[in-house]
Amino acid sequence: ETGVTQSPTHLIKTRGQQVTLRCSSQSGHNTVSWYQQALGQGPQFIFQYYREEENGRGNFPPRFSGLQFPNYSSELNVNALELDDSALYLCASSLSGTRSYEQYFGPGTRLTVT
Amino acid sequence: AQSVTQLGSHVSVSEGALVLLRCNYSSSVPPYLFWYVQYPNQGLQLLLKYTSAATLVKGINGFEAEFKKSETSFHLTKPSAHMSDAAEYFCAVSPGKSDKLIFGTGTRLQVFP
Repeated sequence: ETGVTQSPTHLIKTRGQQVTLRCSSQSGHNTVSWYQQALGQGPQFIFQYYREEENGRGNFPPRFSGLQFPNYSSELNVNALELDDSALYLCASSLSGTRSYEQYFGPGTRLTVT
Repeated sequence: AQSVTQLGSHVSVSEGALVLLRCNYSSSVPPYLFWYVQYPNQGLQLLLKYTSAATLVKGINGFEAEFKKSETSFHLTKPSAHMSDAAEYFCAVSPGKSDKLIFGTGTRLQVFP
């Protein structure tokens, strides 16, 4: 059983640029959630995708957007990067409709905005 | 709105001592509660979960937690700390339907020899 993978591991971008982060969900999972974890903080929910549709969104501006593909992998896109976007971005996959309520996290992508 | 509060951003124990990490929740509906562990430069690993079944939940690595509705608490315990338990621990609550997780601010556990 393949776990959740994320790429790249680390990324350095300049303020104003755009970035795309990628996530492959665990085998058999149909739902992907994205979280932002600032240094010294708990993860904050960005949004969730289920069957290629956004299925809930946290308190993040529209410049944070996402996609989910037919194979359930996902992308997180951030436009017009700001210094405060520097964080660890975590992807989690789960199987909706099973009442397991478990989310399995990837290792994260560390984004630094300078 | 649902939320969790973790009391104590840092906890230090000696190896072999009891570990107690505190979590209180706020929820207008029966909550689903979780404890996750994060080792340095890694993602989150699920330790245990409460989903309205038994109130005493056993997890991996010898950890357990007890759901106490009257105290709105879900504290994490381990009878005997090991050096490898040193990590950041997060309590989280979920509304259930959407799988969205709301995390606390975390507690860093240090274990001294």
